[in-house]
Order: sequence, then C-alpha cells, then structure tokens
Amino acid sequence: EDQVTQSPEALRLQEGESSSLNCSYTVSGLRGLFWYRQDPGKGPEFLFTLYSAGEEKEKERLKATLTKKESFLHITAPKPEDSATYLCAVRQNTGNQFYFGTGTSLTVIP
Amino acid sequence: DAGITQSPRHKVTETGTPVTLRCHQTENHRYMYWYRQDPGHGLRLIHYSYGVKDTDKGEVSDGYSVSRSKTEDFLLTLESATSSQTSVYFCAISEEGGAGGDFGPGTRLTVL
Repeated sequence: EDQVTQSPEALRLQEGESSSLNCSYTVSGLRGLFWYRQDPGKGPEFLFTLYSAGEEKEKERLKATLTKKESFLHITAPKPEDSATYLCAVRQNTGNQFYFGTGTSLTVIP
Repeated sequence: DAGITQSPRHKVTETGTPVTLRCHQTENHRYMYWYRQDPGHGLRLIHYSYGVKDTDKGEVSDGYSVSRSKTEDFLLTLESATSSQTSVYFCAISEEGGAGGDFGPGTRLTVL
C-alpha cells in the first residue's frame, strides 16, 4: 500500500496567492519527514527535515509543518520562480527504507 | 549538484546487455543511495551503502547490484537490462542515514 500520499497532484497559483501542499503518511514509527524541490530535468533539492509532531521549519516563502499523520508545505506569496515539483519523503525508525510521494507540481503564474 | 556527479548522463542500450552507472562524490559522506524515478511511482530506493563494502537492498532491488570499493564511488549494475528498467536514475548522499540529503543530476537510461 502507499506509504506516502501527496495532494494535490498539480496546483496552479497566481503570483502572490498563498496555498498549502499536503503530504500524508501511513508508516508507523516515523524517524523523519523530508521535503524536496525538483526542477524539470534535475535532481531533487533538499528543503527541510521534520522529526516530531508540532515541529515547524521555514525558508524564505516556504514553511513546513508536521502532525502525527501528515505534513503541510505552506507557500506564502509565491513567485514564478517557486514553480517546481515538491516531493515529500518519510523514513521509518525501523529498517532503512525511505518512501517518497509522487509529488505536487506547482505552477505560479505571473 | 555540487559534489556529486553521475556518469553517463544519458544511455541507450539493448535488452540483455549489462549496464553500469557510476556515482562519484567529493563530500566524503558515509551514506550513498541509488533511486529510480518513474512517472506515477515517484522516487524508489534501489540499494544504498552505509560504508565501503557495506550495502543493503531497497524497495526495488531485483535485477540490480551495487558495489562500493571506495568512499567516493558507488556503482549500480544492471546485469542484463530489461525494458522495465528504462528510467531516470538518481544517486544521493548524506552524512547521516537520512533520506539522502543531496541528489546528483541523474542518468536517463533507455533500454530498447
């Protein structure tokens, strides 16, 4: 079964229109949740790591939050350069498996 | 992508031929990973290494083998390539055993 589900699959925003991306997970015993940004034809770029419910991390217009079963990536006043696919990944505290979601493709229109 | 290179960047091969992809890092990180990325599946872990000559299987390891004889190099081998192995392959590295903090630029492999 899917360990990580991201929604929506695609999102179009006007420049300056804030929104949130969702990552829900079903793994038991979360060791870490990770957010990445991926531009077309390139490898993912690390953004944040979250370890426990209630934790928040911020970077420029992005803010990631974590609850017991999901994480949100909030984008405040996005710019066209924020257009990319955003990936979420989780790691369990047993074993060494990492599970990635299929991503949210974000397009910010000027 | 600084500090991580992958070679080749593109490769077209035929079914049944052996293929080796190389990942090279200059960061001296302990952990190295190989992922494949396919539409609708996201990134899936193939194999990873937690030190020289120390490797373990990931979620989709069948048909793949790896080797790590030096800290800086991690090789992924397809012993007999199949069309289902057509994909984009990413190498990643990390200091700690996290989700592969830094990714390489990727290798696009097409198996005809």
